[in-house]
Amino acid sequence: AQTVTQSQPEMSVQEAETVTLSCTYDTSESDYYLFWYKQPPSRQMILVIRQEAYKQQNATENRFSVNFQKAAKSFSLKISDSQLGDAAMYFCAYRNTGFQKLVFGTGTRLLVSP
Amino acid sequence: KAGVTQTPRYLIKTRGQQVTLSCSPISGHRSVSWYQQTPGQGLQFLFEYFSETQRNKGNFPGRFSGRQFSNSRSEMNVSTLELGDSALYLCASSLPGTSGGEETQYFGPGTRLLVL
Repeated sequence: AQTVTQSQPEMSVQEAETVTLSCTYDTSESDYYLFWYKQPPSRQMILVIRQEAYKQQNATENRFSVNFQKAAKSFSLKISDSQLGDAAMYFCAYRNTGFQKLVFGTGTRLLVSP
Repeated sequence: KAGVTQTPRYLIKTRGQQVTLSCSPISGHRSVSWYQQTPGQGLQFLFEYFSETQRNKGNFPGRFSGRQFSNSRSEMNVSTLELGDSALYLCASSLPGTSGGEETQYFGPGTRLLVL
C-alpha cells in the first residue's frame, strides 16, 4: 500500500520570505500523481499544485513550486514571497494513475507572521 | 463553473441514529469520492462512485454506504452512528480519463458531523 509522510507538523515563515514543506512517499508504481492541497481554517480543501510522475519538469504555479525527486520519492513544496493568506494546513497527497483514491499525509501547519 | 457543493454543512446526531450526506459535483464531473477527516486518523478514503457504480472502497465498516444518481450527485449514509463517526466528511469530484487537470479531484466545503 502506498504511504505519504510529512515529517514537519508545523512550520513558521515571515511575510515575503520563502519556506519549503517536505513530503516523502512510498510506492512501487512508476506512474502516478502527486498533489499539494491547502486547508485554511474554513476547512475547504484547495488544490495548490499537482505533478505527474512521468514529467521530469517540476510543476510551478505562481509563487508555488515543487521539487520532485522521483528516485528519492520526495515531493517538497516551496512557497516564495509568503503572504498572510498562505497560513493553513498543507497536505501532500498521492494517487495512482487510473484510480481516484487519494492517500494523504498527516499535514503541515504553516504559520505566517507579519 | 460552480464548485462542489455539500449539504448539510453541519449536523448533530445521537448515537444509534443514521445520517445521509449529499454531494453535488462540478458540472460535467462523473466521479465523486468521499473522505473522512478526523484529528486522530487524518484524511481517509471512504469510497468512489463513477457512473452510478462504486469503483473503489476504503477500509470502513459496512455501516458506511453510498450511492450515485444519474446526474452524478452522490449521497453517503452512515447507519447506527457511533461517537467515533464525528468527523468532517469531504467529497471531491473529477472527470477521470481526461487530461489537462480535469482528472484532478476538487473538493467541496465538507459536512461537519457531530455524534453525541
